[in-house]
Amino acid sequence: DAGITQSPRHKVTETGTPVTLRCHQTENHRYMYWYRQDPGHGLRLIHYSYGVKDTDKGEVSDGYSVSRSKTEDFLLTLESATSSQTSVYFCAISRTGHSYEQYFGPGTRLTVT
Amino acid sequence: GQQVMQIPQYQHVQEGEDFTTYCNSSTTLSNIQWYKQRPGGHPVFLIQLVKSGEVKKQKRLTFQFGEAKKNSSLHITATQTTDVGTYFCGCAGGATNKLIFGTGTLLAVQP
Repeated sequence: DAGITQSPRHKVTETGTPVTLRCHQTENHRYMYWYRQDPGHGLRLIHYSYGVKDTDKGEVSDGYSVSRSKTEDFLLTLESATSSQTSVYFCAISRTGHSYEQYFGPGTRLTVT
Repeated sequence: GQQVMQIPQYQHVQEGEDFTTYCNSSTTLSNIQWYKQRPGGHPVFLIQLVKSGEVKKQKRLTFQFGEAKKNSSLHITATQTTDVGTYFCGCAGGATNKLIFGTGTLLAVQP
């Protein structure tokens, strides 16, 4: 399973509060990704990282920021959560590069009330 | 931008029947990947196809990459209840060089 953990696994928060989700990997892979999964939309890329302090936006990045200060940790922050950010969030890693197979963490179910 | 269509969105079969899901990209791909997600689980990588016309098999699963490298299919022979889940294609090769996932096909198998 590529040694990927996500925390928390479940969270309920109120609109307007900041939320940080953590992705941790144990195998020092360079490429890490954050996706959200919603019914009818599949997996959509929020942000990704190609190394420590190297991050970039995906297709649905508005309202989200990321940080990667260590190889093993990739943090996703919702600065001010909105109900439209209620979703399941998956972290993924790639061992070889952006276009290659990805291995996903167990996911975080976030509910914004 | 790159568009990925996956059909059908949902299919319900009797155990033992065959199942096929199709993935179509608006752009030529460098490779295509297939993932399976069990209910309540996370996507799990199944296979990657790279060559035009490539066919790969994993037990009862057959994966094909189209000659034009713009479409792919996943065929399951004689479905079992363990095949239940959502099957996603992940398409690589667009301008951003990132994987674009299809919306998935949810397979339900009735015993």
